[in-house]
Amino acid sequence: QSALTQPASVSGSPGQSITIFCTGTTSDVGVYNYVSWYQQKPGKAPKLMIFGVRNRPSGVSSRFSASKSENTASLTISGLQADDEAHYYCCSYTASNTWVFGGGTKVTVL
Amino acid sequence: QVQLVESGGGVVQPGGPLRLSCAASGFTLGGSGMHWVRQAPGKGLEWVAYTPYGGNIKYYADSVGGRFTISRDNSINTLYLQVDSLKAEDTGLYYCVKDGGNWELGHWGQGTLVTVSS
Repeated sequence: QSALTQPASVSGSPGQSITIFCTGTTSDVGVYNYVSWYQQKPGKAPKLMIFGVRNRPSGVSSRFSASKSENTASLTISGLQADDEAHYYCCSYTASNTWVFGGGTKVTVL
Repeated sequence: QVQLVESGGGVVQPGGPLRLSCAASGFTLGGSGMHWVRQAPGKGLEWVAYTPYGGNIKYYADSVGGRFTISRDNSINTLYLQVDSLKAEDTGLYYCVKDGGNWELGHWGQGTLVTVSS
C-alpha cells in the first residue's frame, strides 16, 4: 500500500487561508468517504482534526474545513494563526481493510 | 475521559522480540476497535495494525509481514502488540490509538519508544 501524496510544506501569513491537498487512488481516497486529518506538534501525539472527509470532532475550530473530489482530499485552514503551525497528515481507509497515511505536510506561519 | 498509556518499549537487538502494552481507561476496551501506529524518528506516521471490537479479525500493514501480532485482554482493558524478528527499520515511537467509530483514529496515547540496535 503506497502512502498518500501530500506536499512537504505549505506556508502562509497570519489571517490567510491555506489548503493542503492529499492524493490517493481508486483503492482508498477515491472509493471511501473515510478520509481523516491529524495535527501533530513537536513532541506531541497526533490529534484528530477531521473525520469522514469533512466532519470536525467536538472542540476543533471551525477554521478547519475539508472536502474531497475523486482521488484527492483537501484540508483548508482559514484565518491562519501562529498556533496552527504543525505537521498535518491525511489518512484513508483502504480496500485492503488497512489504513494509509500521507507523508505529512509542515505548515509554517510566516 | 479516554486515556491510553503505552509501555514495554526499549532497546532490543535485531531479530529480538518485544511486547508492547497499552492500558486503556475511560472506556470499555472490548467495545472499541483499536490500532497501533508507529513513527520513525523524524519521519511520518505509519499505520501498523487494527483489531475491531470483536477482536477475532486482525489487519496488518504489509511492512510488518507476519512479524507483528495485535491482541487484547478485555478483562484488564489492555491492548498488546507482539513484535518479533525486529529490524532496524522498526525503530520508532509506537502509538496505541482508539478507533473513533467512523474508521478514523480518534484518541491517541503518548507512545512508547522502540529502538532496534546491536
